[in-house]
Amino acid sequence: GAVVSQHPSWVICKSGTSVKIECRSLDFQATTMFWYRQFPKQSLMLMATSNEGSKATYEQGVEKDKFLINHASLTLSTLTVTSAHPEDSSFYICSALDSLLTYEQYFGPGTRLTVT
Amino acid sequence: SQQGEEDPQALSIQEGENATMNCSYKTSINNLQWYRQNSGRGLVHLILIRSNEREKHSGRLRVTLDTSKKSSSLLITASRAADTASYFCATPTGGSYIPTFGRGTSLIVHP
Repeated sequence: GAVVSQHPSWVICKSGTSVKIECRSLDFQATTMFWYRQFPKQSLMLMATSNEGSKATYEQGVEKDKFLINHASLTLSTLTVTSAHPEDSSFYICSALDSLLTYEQYFGPGTRLTVT
Repeated sequence: SQQGEEDPQALSIQEGENATMNCSYKTSINNLQWYRQNSGRGLVHLILIRSNEREKHSGRLRVTLDTSKKSSSLLITASRAADTASYFCATPTGGSYIPTFGRGTSLIVHP
């Protein structure tokens, strides 16, 4: 089946620094990828839709200047959390849409971010 | 706002028993999907049921959909300790294909 990877799996950073998370579709091309955020024992909340070659579409309440998204190729989207704060600590999950064959979303394993 | 809401929030059963989780949603849908998430991990897609389907099976999983009641159920038969996970239903909203997730049901299967 289709595989989506995320890197890193977990990261601990200091307040004020920036962290980049990568999301890759390994065996299919994805013009559209999604970034979700999940707090402990909570649901996944869609943060933004990442479109290859164009600007991301952010959900209401998500700061686009804080969560920078770049989708420079058909297999890679990156989320950069800028000037991270402890309240940004969360589980970030990406997914990639197979828009050529199955039109299903495939989820990555997630990245645990802890900001100290 | 969330489209799907799972019920119960948490469920604890013994191995071998069946587990049933329900999902209710608010607006009309084209399809409904069930996902599984092990603690601290990504989501695994379990099954998709379309609005013109009433029941679907996949191994020990059985999903039903009642569009008149705007509800779906996920049944796991002969549960195993390895089924311990959170289960989410997800439905596309607002004419989009992007699924919106409920809060999930936390299932614990005791060996």
